[in-house]
Amino acid sequence: EPEVTQTPSHQVTQMGQEVILRCVPISNHLYFYWYRQILGQKVEFLVSFYNNEISEKSEIFDDQFSVERPDGSNFTLKIRSTKLEDSAMYFCASNLGQGKQPQHFGDGTRLSIL
Amino acid sequence: TQLLEQSPQFLSIQEGENLTVYCNSSSVFSSLQWYRQEPGEGPVLLVTVVTGGEVKKLKRLTFQFGDARKDSSLHITAAQPGDTGLYLCAGAISNYQLIWGAGTKLIIKP
Repeated sequence: EPEVTQTPSHQVTQMGQEVILRCVPISNHLYFYWYRQILGQKVEFLVSFYNNEISEKSEIFDDQFSVERPDGSNFTLKIRSTKLEDSAMYFCASNLGQGKQPQHFGDGTRLSIL
Repeated sequence: TQLLEQSPQFLSIQEGENLTVYCNSSSVFSSLQWYRQEPGEGPVLLVTVVTGGEVKKLKRLTFQFGDARKDSSLHITAAQPGDTGLYLCAGAISNYQLIWGAGTKLIIKP
């Protein structure tokens, strides 16, 4: 069964450094998402992406964050200048369509900011 | 702020017992998904409910969406140790965004 893949599984970065998290969504899916989960807290929506542009973003997704689909398969999340509070699991998801179509998740990248 | 309240947060029962997990909100959802998440892995989709009053069954798991599409339940019949895990509900509040419950950590003791 096709699946969403994320790399790396664990990223350790110094505070203030830039980090890029990578995702390969399911190949025929059109909508892509990033979520994060701080340890012990709920999963939180960051951003959704369709047709090469952001379709919706949350308050968390500020100017430090950006997303890109650099080619036909990858979907990336960049954090420009990381802060300690960016430490979390970051999940990528994709689905066929908006609204009622279920989102399928990757196994996440654990980001640790030192 | 839209919230999805999930209860109970933790449940430990004996094999063979029945249980129900609830998700409640004041928001109306276009759909609601139930996921199961293992440690170190991403959420794995169990089911999507879309229509108010809808009931879906997945073997011993029964999922129900409230008539007003504000709440949902997951009922497990004759729980088994393999059902142990973290169960999450997530409601679609827009075309793109899911809001999540805090999860129910379920332990089934043999």
